[in-house]
Amino acid sequence: GIQVEQSPPDLILQEGANSTLRCNFSDSVNNLQWFHQNPWGQLINLFYIPSGTKQNGRLSATTVATERYSLLYISSSQTTDSGVYFCVFISNFGNEKLTFGTGTRLTIIP
Amino acid sequence: DAGVIQSPRHEVTEMGQEVTLRCKPISGHNSLFWYRQTMMRGLELLIYFNNNVPIDDSGMPEDRFSAKMPNASFSTLKIQPSEPRDSAVYFCATCSRDRNSPLHFGNGTRLTVT
Repeated sequence: GIQVEQSPPDLILQEGANSTLRCNFSDSVNNLQWFHQNPWGQLINLFYIPSGTKQNGRLSATTVATERYSLLYISSSQTTDSGVYFCVFISNFGNEKLTFGTGTRLTIIP
Repeated sequence: DAGVIQSPRHEVTEMGQEVTLRCKPISGHNSLFWYRQTMMRGLELLIYFNNNVPIDDSGMPEDRFSAKMPNASFSTLKIQPSEPRDSAVYFCATCSRDRNSPLHFGNGTRLTVT
């Protein structure tokens, strides 16, 4: 099956620090999303990014489909950034399954 | 748009009882996914529908679980009879395959079976 690996599994940072989260996938991507699951359990869509780079405030994401990875950058982190970050891999357009990565647990310390 | 709406938000029931979880997708979304999340197993895909038709139910744990999508605006996930090991957060997510749109999750239903 398709493998979606995220790194690091855990990350603890001081407020204000920058971080880079990585998602590697084993097959050609049709599309990829980044989600943030906050401490209340809500899954929030951050980016829908099959290729290229997108930015939204302090967050940005880059997907290099030819090299089968995606990166999520968080700058000037805040305590509200804490939670688990998932990448979701979509392989083929059609009756495909979505494959979740194992997640990166980010803890921002005040 | 109100987003993906799930109900109830919390459900506490006794072992052996029937449980029905509900999901209303975003208008225009034609793909719907049911996920379960636990600390031990993380996020698991249970079943997904495309245009109201179940496409893959291989993630449904056993015959006690069933899911329906009678129309484009409503889906149910039923557990009968429920067991304590079914305790989890159940998420519904929807997207539009036709427009290749992002996946959106509901806020989930936290199920506790005692």
